[in-house]
Amino acid sequence: GAVVSQHPSWVICKSGTSVKIECRSLDFQATTMFWYRQFPKQSLMLMATSNEGSKATYEQGVEKDKFLINHASLTLSTLTVTSAHPEDSSFYICSARGGDRGSQPQHFGDGTRLSIL
Amino acid sequence: GQQVMQIPQYQHVQEGEDFTTYCNSSTTLSNIQWYKQRPGGHPVFLIQLVKSGEVKKQKRLTFQFGEAKKNSSLHITATQTTDVGTYFCAGPARGGGNKLTFGTGTQLKVEL
Repeated sequence: GAVVSQHPSWVICKSGTSVKIECRSLDFQATTMFWYRQFPKQSLMLMATSNEGSKATYEQGVEKDKFLINHASLTLSTLTVTSAHPEDSSFYICSARGGDRGSQPQHFGDGTRLSIL
Repeated sequence: GQQVMQIPQYQHVQEGEDFTTYCNSSTTLSNIQWYKQRPGGHPVFLIQLVKSGEVKKQKRLTFQFGEAKKNSSLHITATQTTDVGTYFCAGPARGGGNKLTFGTGTQLKVEL
């Protein structure tokens, strides 16, 4: 159980392109999803919290107009990197948790490796 | 702000040797979670500790939560090549919202 699917796995595109990443919870309803960014050999940096039916909450320093998040259903959240530039190249990972109890673990998608040329 | 540090940052061991990673939080945690990320993979939940002084075991892995609930450790007995990866601890972030603050991670390499 607790499977999270993230698509696509790899994206290579030109500078200025907008890229959409999907995160789906396959066998449970995810009231909350999280989007992380991870640089090589570093920890996970939380970018934003996505709540179904409401606006995402962004962490300090994360541009909400740059990283658009939509959580339209209990099983799907999307992250759109708008007008991507080489500095946006990174590993983006989503996670999902069901229920409202704060102690529930997060289940991660496989991640998306984004390379902007 | 809240910081969760792990030591060591890297650890190379020979297969069969033991391994321990230590996690220290700048704030008291209501619980602590441990995740493993294989090279090129995504973090996978291992365990959650809630009680002060709690100790849990999963086969060769032993997890401990400190009495003050500000530190934790993960000990692997007789490492195997399948243990390779980065181990992260994580605790509830200040400000709530069900967010987690991840530790800096310990990368484990196991050599034959």
